Amino acid sequence: DIVLTQSPGTLSLAPWDRATLSCRASQSISSSYLAWYQQKPGQPPRLLIYAASNRATGIPDRFSGSGSGRDFTLTINGLDPEDFAVYYCQQYAGSPKTFGQGTKVEIK
Amino acid sequence: QVQLVQSGAEVKKPGASVKVSCKASGYTFTAYDMNWVRQAPGQGLEWVGWVSPKTGNAGYAQKFQGRVTMTRITSISTVYMELTSLRSEDTAVYFCARGGAGSWDDFWGQGTLVSVSS
Repeated sequence: DIVLTQSPGTLSLAPWDRATLSCRASQSISSSYLAWYQQKPGQPPRLLIYAASNRATGIPDRFSGSGSGRDFTLTINGLDPEDFAVYYCQQYAGSPKTFGQGTKVEIK
Repeated sequence: QVQLVQSGAEVKKPGASVKVSCKASGYTFTAYDMNWVRQAPGQGLEWVGWVSPKTGNAGYAQKFQGRVTMTRITSISTVYMELTSLRSEDTAVYFCARGGAGSWDDFWGQGTLVSVSS
């Protein structure tokens, strides 16, 4: 199985800060097969980014994704109060699909 | 608009089975595969498996092989996930999510809490 390791575990930032979240895969994966999700308490995950760098429908342009090979990044430029949540990366290159353990972005 | 509506919370005893449903609307049901993902309390996301509404084919994470069955009824645009021989570690919220085995998951159901306790 492809293991995804996210860092940091928790990110303490203030509104309007920039958030940089990392996702490292245990083996190289095509950038076409990496997604990012946001989850708030009591809600299902919400797709933010697919194929490493493509924003899903309705996602603000302050969210951006990048990376290739084993290393991928989600950047949030100018944190909005509604962006404080847990973020997961997911690979769908191989079976089983796997998720990272999550990064919590909390208000500093 | 795309909607995935899941069945309600379940409380089961160890050794029992549970069947969770997910009714799709707002798109062509057979055009997209459906995944099931679970989340234990306070934990991360774990992929359980997928089912093709078009063919009925399914694939499961090895961890759940032999205990999980995913099916569908196309006439009512509904997929099902049945998990047998429940144990306390199966206590989780189970989500259906639209997307194939080689694709991202773009729409998610609201989740169904399955609690397993004696």
